[in-house]
Amino acid sequence: NAGVTQTPKFRVLKTGQSMTLLCAQDMNHEYMYWYRQDPGMGLRLIHYSVGEGTTAKGEVPDGYNVSRLKKQNFLLGLESAAPSQTSVYFCASVGRRYNEQFFGPGTRLTVL
Amino acid sequence: AQTVTQSQPEMSVQEAETVTLSCTYDTSENNYYLFWYKQPPSRQMILVIRQEAYKQQNATENRFSVNFQKAAKSFSLKISDSQLGDTAMYFCAFMNHQGAQKLVFGQGTRLTINP
Repeated sequence: NAGVTQTPKFRVLKTGQSMTLLCAQDMNHEYMYWYRQDPGMGLRLIHYSVGEGTTAKGEVPDGYNVSRLKKQNFLLGLESAAPSQTSVYFCASVGRRYNEQFFGPGTRLTVL
Repeated sequence: AQTVTQSQPEMSVQEAETVTLSCTYDTSENNYYLFWYKQPPSRQMILVIRQEAYKQQNATENRFSVNFQKAAKSFSLKISDSQLGDTAMYFCAFMNHQGAQKLVFGQGTRLTINP
């Protein structure tokens, strides 16, 4: 099992550009999450999904959109990147009857 | 809304010493889970230990143990016989027993183990 994978691992964008981060899990987990990590602030929840075709807002959703068309994939989109979105992004997943979230390796995004 | 607070931004101890990381949280829920995650320089998030709120017994995993004080809403992590490989960021996190199993993280404590 690959667990949770994220693509890409690093990316540099210019202000106003768009991009999509891909998260994939092969553990048949129902729940998936996107977090961002900024210095001194821990991880904060951006959006999450409790099943295929469903998404919901987390603590810091502004400027991001998500989609979960397939159970194993959770996409995070930035339509018009801003320097404030420079961060490390983590995807995680968990099975419905469990409580341990499994994390991907993270994506470091820099917006110039 | 739940909040998690880690009041120690940085800590440093000598190898083989014991160190305790502090965490407090705020919730009106009765059933929940608490976690400590380790994030080494590789950036990978690694689960260290978990505690279920309805269990009075403190969780233990080898050199790692917790002091869970439910009434005080305190959840500290003790690392015994610290090793150089324990150097990392440590995050305390809260999860409701019901709902979408979202994690709420503290700000983190950067722990350095010195040789």
